[in-house]
Amino acid sequence: SQQGEEDPQALSIQEGENATMNCSYKTSINNLQWYRQNSGRGLVHLILIRSNEREKHSGRLRVTLDTSKKSSSLLITASRAADTASYFCATDGAYNTDKLIFGTGTRLQVFP
Amino acid sequence: AAGVIQSPRHLIKEKRETATLKCYPIPRHDTVYWYQQGPGQDPQFLISFYEKMQSDKGSIPDRFSAQQFSDYHSELNMSSLELGDSALYFCASSSRPPGQGIDEQFFGPGTRLTVL
Repeated sequence: SQQGEEDPQALSIQEGENATMNCSYKTSINNLQWYRQNSGRGLVHLILIRSNEREKHSGRLRVTLDTSKKSSSLLITASRAADTASYFCATDGAYNTDKLIFGTGTRLQVFP
Repeated sequence: AAGVIQSPRHLIKEKRETATLKCYPIPRHDTVYWYQQGPGQDPQFLISFYEKMQSDKGSIPDRFSAQQFSDYHSELNMSSLELGDSALYFCASSSRPPGQGIDEQFFGPGTRLTVL
């Protein structure tokens, strides 16, 4: 990937469990976003966290950002089978660029 | 709510043929981005437009060209297609002009191009 790596690459859990995905990036950023992609479908925006924020919540999603370590994590609590998808982090790479630079993605499988 | 529209959704071409992909952004979004996602890969930025002018360029082959029209829709033209061009091509739109920091981009459903 141009910008970062995500781990794990794949994650399998049971419904009701929490899922944690991590993202590391290389350059300074203005913000970091998480997207979800169902198999072969479009990307759906989940949450955006700015470089001056450390944590953000949206429903069952919790995102943290550590700019000193150039890393972020996405936590999905009380997972559901419908959460099965690939999850990508994306950054702007700083310098006020506007293109998104995606991480390698985590494939999450939630078993009912 | 209106979303980003892409057409066609699926396209099958032979090697060396040409293809044109279309993108219709969300109304009042005047910034358009194109991304390419190969099988099992993360999306890669190709090119972007704002107010009909190219605003940024990524790893887009010289065989590809794109433009944005007066109604803000955009077209990605691909010539001399190669097997490696088989991928999902996404268009995204944003209401934020370039140079003001990135914001949420709204993605279309993608065009799946298969080159045989």
